Amino acid sequence: GAVVSQHPSRVICKSGTSVKIECRSLDFQATTMFWYRQFPKQSLMLMATSNEGSKATYEQGVEKDKFLINHASLTLSTLTVTSAHPEDSSFYICSARGLDSINEQFFGPGTRLTVL
Amino acid sequence: GQSLEQPSEVTAVEGAIVQINCTYQTSGFYGLSWYQQHDGGAPTFLSYNALDGLEETGRFSSFLSRSDSYGYLLLQELQMKDSASYFCAVRSSASKIIFGSGTRLSIRP
Repeated sequence: GAVVSQHPSRVICKSGTSVKIECRSLDFQATTMFWYRQFPKQSLMLMATSNEGSKATYEQGVEKDKFLINHASLTLSTLTVTSAHPEDSSFYICSARGLDSINEQFFGPGTRLTVL
Repeated sequence: GQSLEQPSEVTAVEGAIVQINCTYQTSGFYGLSWYQQHDGGAPTFLSYNALDGLEETGRFSSFLSRSDSYGYLLLQELQMKDSASYFCAVRSSASKIIFGSGTRLSIRP
């Protein structure tokens, strides 16, 4: 099956710093990648959708200048949380979809971000 | 607005059968998916229904009625490892999937 990796799996940072999270599709080309945020015992909230080579589409209420998304290749997307604050602490999950799997998303293992 | 409703918690006994319902209200509808998520892990895909009817995959089955905007996930021969959160999700456009709030399934021996 399709595999998606995320790095790092866990990060703790000080308030005001920036954190970059990488999402890679390991054995398929991801034409579309999605970034979600999940708070404890809650559902996945879509933050943005990105297609390779184009600007990300952000969901309403998500600050594009705070959550920078780059989908530079068909196997890599990055999410940078700029000037992180404690309220940004959450579980960030990426997912990817290829041309052969338009009805299914493959999720990465997630990144636990804690901002002190 | 767009919404998906599913029970927040369900408890069942090992070896039994459990059904998790999902009703949805979205501006577009391409299909209904189900995902399983264990604590601290990533969601994993279980099933996808684009047409009305029942889809069976091993111990898991998923049903869709588009006229009723309703679907369910049926889990049979429950095992302890099935304890997890289950999310229904609607593909509302070519590129967007909306997730329900999740149902936490607890299984007792």
